[in-house]
Amino acid sequence: QLQLQESGPGLVKPSETLSLTCSVSGGSVSRNTHYWGWVRQPPGKALEWIGSIYYDGSTYYNPSLKSRVTISIDTSKNQFSLELYSVTAADTAVFYCARHFEHSLFDPWGQGILVTVSS
Amino acid sequence: QTVVTQEPSFSVSPGGTVTLTCGLKSGSVSTTYYPSWYQQTPGQAPRALIYNTDSRSSGVPDRFSGSILGNKAALTITGAQADDDSDYYCVLYMGSGISVFGGGTKLTVL
Repeated sequence: QLQLQESGPGLVKPSETLSLTCSVSGGSVSRNTHYWGWVRQPPGKALEWIGSIYYDGSTYYNPSLKSRVTISIDTSKNQFSLELYSVTAADTAVFYCARHFEHSLFDPWGQGILVTVSS
Repeated sequence: QTVVTQEPSFSVSPGGTVTLTCGLKSGSVSTTYYPSWYQQTPGQAPRALIYNTDSRSSGVPDRFSGSILGNKAALTITGAQADDDSDYYCVLYMGSGISVFGGGTKLTVL
């Protein structure tokens, strides 16, 4: 059974870089049948797709975040990562990783990790 | 910027039927947007319900169904149960690898 687990700092200072990793178990990130994605949810607000990556490293990003985001993949560690640059308080959110099938199915999801941007 | 619209809130009586919709601020939703639907309860990760308009994800009961109604995607819950009291989100595929979530609908079962 495929499982995903987010990890990283729960507190990031304004203007710094938010870095998270998603570890995948029960399956391989090297499969060419789907992508791996990141989704965030500010407290009390809606979900927002951040971006996704294919096993070969090709990426797709939300146009509104594209200038501040990098998603990478490490097939040797069976994980993929998110970097969000120059964060502000508005970036405070629960961040989820998920397997992302082409055409928008996200399944399954990690449990999520709350990241707070504050000095 | 693409805006995906959902009803902010909806209520249904236990045993009743409710249809939630997912539209575009500009334009019509069709199967070419591959609409998918997710259920989220407080403090939990979302759970996939429907993908590719009307395909149910593994383990999802058949009282959840997806369709296109008019110019919107729709999620219908037949025979609502207390544990259907959740937030529901749709996602549309906009092409070129871009996915957009709707603002979510808070469904109350009472």
